[in-house]
Amino acid sequence: DAGVIQSPRHEVTEMGQEVTLRCKPISGHNSLFWYRQTMMRGLELLIYFNNNVPIDDSGMPEDRFSAKMPNASFSTLKIQPSEPRDSAVYFCASSPRDQQETQYFGPGTRLLVL
Amino acid sequence: AQSVTQLDSHVSVSEGTPVLLRCNYSSSYSPSLFWYVQHPNKGLQLLLKYTSAATLVKGINGFEAEFKKSETSFHLTKPSAHMSDAAEYFCVVSPLFSGGYNKLIFGAGTRLAVHP
Repeated sequence: DAGVIQSPRHEVTEMGQEVTLRCKPISGHNSLFWYRQTMMRGLELLIYFNNNVPIDDSGMPEDRFSAKMPNASFSTLKIQPSEPRDSAVYFCASSPRDQQETQYFGPGTRLLVL
Repeated sequence: AQSVTQLDSHVSVSEGTPVLLRCNYSSSYSPSLFWYVQHPNKGLQLLLKYTSAATLVKGINGFEAEFKKSETSFHLTKPSAHMSDAAEYFCVVSPLFSGGYNKLIFGAGTRLAVHP
């Protein structure tokens, strides 16, 4: 079975540019999570979707960050405009309806904003 | 508030010797507890989980963890370390009541080094 798929795996961009990160959850999973991992702050939950609806976005840092889930098999996390402090590894995770407490993580997108 | 504390940021062991990664949690209710592993430049992989069944939980790759409510601990162990175990390990708590969904709260991580 394919796991959670994220693209791109690496992204280097300049400050002020728009960045879009993509995630395809495991087929059949109804919950999707976006996390950010940095040395200073560890792993932080950014946003949680259930059945494509954003349930908890309290972890989204500021208005420059937005996330969408137009259907059950695709989600995006957008940063506009990007800043150097956004440099981090961004993970997407999904969980199935019958095992809501277990999350399956993608390989992550390593973002560097210059 | 729910939280998890990993007592060691770095642990170094010799190949073939036991591994002990320590974790203490704080939760108002009976939580679900997990250990995840992250190999370099990889995503997180679930090692094992405790969800109020047996207190000794067996996971993948020979790891196990014991839930001790009296000590609020969930330490991860393995009898014999292998070179491939070198990675970062995260203790995670998911409170029973967390706004209606299973929010994961991550510890800071323990980096395990295994030397020959």
